[in-house]
Amino acid sequence: EAQVTQNPRYLITVTGKKLTVTCSQNMNHEYMSWYRQDPGLGLRQIYYSMNVEVTDKGDVPEGYKVSRKEKRNFPLILESPSPNQTSLYFCASSVRGGDTEAFFGQGTRLTVV
Amino acid sequence: DQQVKQNSPSLSVQEGRISILNCDYTNSMFDYFLWYKKYPAEGPTFLISISSIKDKNEDGRFTVFLNKSAKHLSLHIVPSQPGDSAVYFCAASGNYGQNFVFGPGTRLSVLP
Repeated sequence: EAQVTQNPRYLITVTGKKLTVTCSQNMNHEYMSWYRQDPGLGLRQIYYSMNVEVTDKGDVPEGYKVSRKEKRNFPLILESPSPNQTSLYFCASSVRGGDTEAFFGQGTRLTVV
Repeated sequence: DQQVKQNSPSLSVQEGRISILNCDYTNSMFDYFLWYKKYPAEGPTFLISISSIKDKNEDGRFTVFLNKSAKHLSLHIVPSQPGDSAVYFCAASGNYGQNFVFGPGTRLSVLP
């Protein structure tokens, strides 16, 4: 079954404690991206990757890091989380960029206290 | 400043009637537009798309219309069904897909 898998689904952490949200896709897609969803703001792109070892900033990259060492995995790293990073996060993959259908993971609800 | 706007946060429609969801964009470089549907506790799922070289695209009960001169697109759902109740996101893409922006979403409620 074609899917994008994110883990964990829910996470509560404290300010400053490094965390990683994993994302994996089984469709051999080149393009992967991370979004955060906040009320009234919709989905905002954090980072995207056009292929292995190729990553670039989206609209709201501050406070986040990513890596793309393998085609299937695209982890999101928060080195020092802060309360304003409390949000619902989605990973997505597509054959190429935004002009193709994106497949989304189920989301990770992160709370930073 | 939001490049993709969905000015109606919510919409209620009677079952069987037409639902019309609107989306406006400001960036004239956008050349591909997509609609996604999102149910609670799930990720968004792709619904329908349209290229800027077209003004209409249909897929079953769903039709998307694009008015490039007005920088406006709309999603029509006919007939609306209770299972269509969800949040609908408009998204726009440009620069060969590298620039990808979502709107804030419209919550559609289809009443039985």
